[in-house]
Amino acid sequence: DTAVSQTPKYLVTQMGNDKSIKCEQNLGHDTMYWYKQDSKKFLKIMFSYNNKELIINETVPNRFSPKSPDKAHLNLHINSLELGDSAVYFCASSQSPGRDEQFFGPGTRLTVL
Amino acid sequence: GQNIDQPTEMTATEGAIVQINCTYQTSGFNGLFWYQQHAGEAPTFLSYNVLDGLEEKGRFSSFLSRSKGYSYLLLKELQMKDSASYLCAVRFPIKAAGNKLTFGGGTRVLVKP
Repeated sequence: DTAVSQTPKYLVTQMGNDKSIKCEQNLGHDTMYWYKQDSKKFLKIMFSYNNKELIINETVPNRFSPKSPDKAHLNLHINSLELGDSAVYFCASSQSPGRDEQFFGPGTRLTVL
Repeated sequence: GQNIDQPTEMTATEGAIVQINCTYQTSGFNGLFWYQQHAGEAPTFLSYNVLDGLEEKGRFSSFLSRSKGYSYLLLKELQMKDSASYLCAVRFPIKAAGNKLTFGGGTRVLVKP
């Protein structure tokens, strides 16, 4: 199936741990994004990559580090997890930077204990 | 800054019509999107407006007035499966990265029998 996929779907971990979330799209899109959706359901952009190059970096703690090994993959690594990092993280992709509709992955629900 | 407002929650009866309003104040404007998000799922694209007027897509229509900074999403012949959150998102230009999408907080629509 053509889609945006993320792993894992659920992630439960202790404060202070380091974890990664992986994202892959097989839509042939050039641009990928990471969003955070908090408990109040606000969806906020964190990062965007276009052809493996970082183009949007919102005010996100530097404990969050995105990595794009190729334009079909955008991973998110989080160091020293904090309680406030608990949220649903969505990966998305679009044909080009912000010009077209974005296709979202199924989300990763991160719970930090 | 960017500000997007929409009602938090609306309730309607199956078969009825519901109109979800969205007002925005953003520095620049390159289009407005509506996404649907069922509980626990990813947002999915519904509609896109960049010029003033009404766009109709089956039971869903979206309207835009750029001079008023206003849009609405109209859901007709409501079905139980339309119970979901509806997210208004504005695309605006940013340096070096082309465009960026900012989301409102979403309107949770509950359809009752």
